[in-house]
Amino acid sequence: DAGVIQSPRHEVTEMGQEVTLRCKPISGHNSLFWYRQTMMRGLELLIYFNNNVPIDDSGMPEDRFSAKMPNASFSTLKIQPSEPRDSAVYFCASSPLGRNYGYTFGSGTRLTVV
Amino acid sequence: SQQGEEDPQALSIQEGENATMNCSYKTSINNLQWYRQNSGRGLVHLILIRSNEREKHSGRLRVTLDTSKKSSSLLITASRAADTASYFCATGDTGANSKLTFGKGITLSVRP
Repeated sequence: DAGVIQSPRHEVTEMGQEVTLRCKPISGHNSLFWYRQTMMRGLELLIYFNNNVPIDDSGMPEDRFSAKMPNASFSTLKIQPSEPRDSAVYFCASSPLGRNYGYTFGSGTRLTVV
Repeated sequence: SQQGEEDPQALSIQEGENATMNCSYKTSINNLQWYRQNSGRGLVHLILIRSNEREKHSGRLRVTLDTSKKSSSLLITASRAADTASYFCATGDTGANSKLTFGKGITLSVRP
């Protein structure tokens, strides 16, 4: 398995533009997680899905952020409109369904909003 | 919000020495996990210890969990330069879901 695949690796965009981050989880992993990492706040859970259904989106900062998982092999995180304070590394992770499994993380998308 | 808090924030040791990192948390947990992150990369799962376990080993790693003190430690024995990375503890809550809450991490530098 190629692991969790995220794209793009780097994204530089202008304030106000729409940004879409993509994630392909490991096949057979039915839980998918979106995290954001910054120096100030560390790793924050934004949203997670079980069996393609959003379970907890309480970490989504505001309505500018949205996430979808249309099928078991694909998820997107969209920011519209983007702001400079959204600059961070965004990670996608997946795991088997259940409570006692480790997560497999993707390599992340480094987002810079100028 | 942060659940686990690692200590120290930064650790610098000589190759061959042991590295001990600590994590404290506030609420009841189902399990506690440790992850490693190399610069510019994603996190890598190292080890998971369940709330009813007290100690676990994996290669050069030893993890302990004390639920009465709400703390865990990660010991890396005979450290190598390649162990240089950030290490995070993460706690799994006791609810029906599987989400993890991560600490801010410990930066470990192993000098050759």
